[in-house]
Amino acid sequence: AQSVTQLGSHVSVSEGALVLLRCNYSSSVPPYLFWYVQYPNQGLQLLLKYTSAATLVKGINGFEAEFKKSETSFHLTKPSAHMSDAAEYFCAVSDRHNFNKFYFGSGTKLNVKP
Amino acid sequence: IAGITQAPTSQILAAGRRMTLRCTQDMRHNAMYWYRQDLGLGLRLIHYSNTAGTTGKGEVPDGYSVSRANTDDFPLTLASAVPSQTSVYFCASSEGATDTQYFGPGTRLTVL
Repeated sequence: AQSVTQLGSHVSVSEGALVLLRCNYSSSVPPYLFWYVQYPNQGLQLLLKYTSAATLVKGINGFEAEFKKSETSFHLTKPSAHMSDAAEYFCAVSDRHNFNKFYFGSGTKLNVKP
Repeated sequence: IAGITQAPTSQILAAGRRMTLRCTQDMRHNAMYWYRQDLGLGLRLIHYSNTAGTTGKGEVPDGYSVSRANTDDFPLTLASAVPSQTSVYFCASSEGATDTQYFGPGTRLTVL
């Protein structure tokens, strides 16, 4: 089975600072990769997804992620954090044999300090 | 457009009881999914359905069953609930595999 590792269960940044949330996946074949965001007491919303087109993927709310095959990474970044970015972020990968099966990381809670 | 609705919002259940969590989508999506979310573990896929009439097992299917009699509904049944099934359950749907999954608001289930 695939696995996804998100380094850092909690990340804290100051408003206006760079946001970097790390995601590494285990797969010998580039799968489909996703970042989702979850606000308190809500379901998940898609931020962006990689589907083997451009390696730099732009998403909503100013977020982007870069697929690096050599590092099996798909880190999420945003140049300048906003208070409204405080949420939990999940990286996910689709199973390379069964695209219906998604494997999620354990999540990273982003705290934005004023 | 409501998107995905789940019922109930929350439930406290005695161990050994049978429980069905309901999920309905109005987007005519082919694929539907059930996940459980536990602290520190992220979301884990329980069961999925590619299209009406078909279902498949996810990462943690034991103790759960699903059915997909039509496109819109995808109920999840716990035949005999156990405390380890205490979790937040999310239903999701997508137009097809690898398409964006849209999530419902979740059901918080506590099994005592």
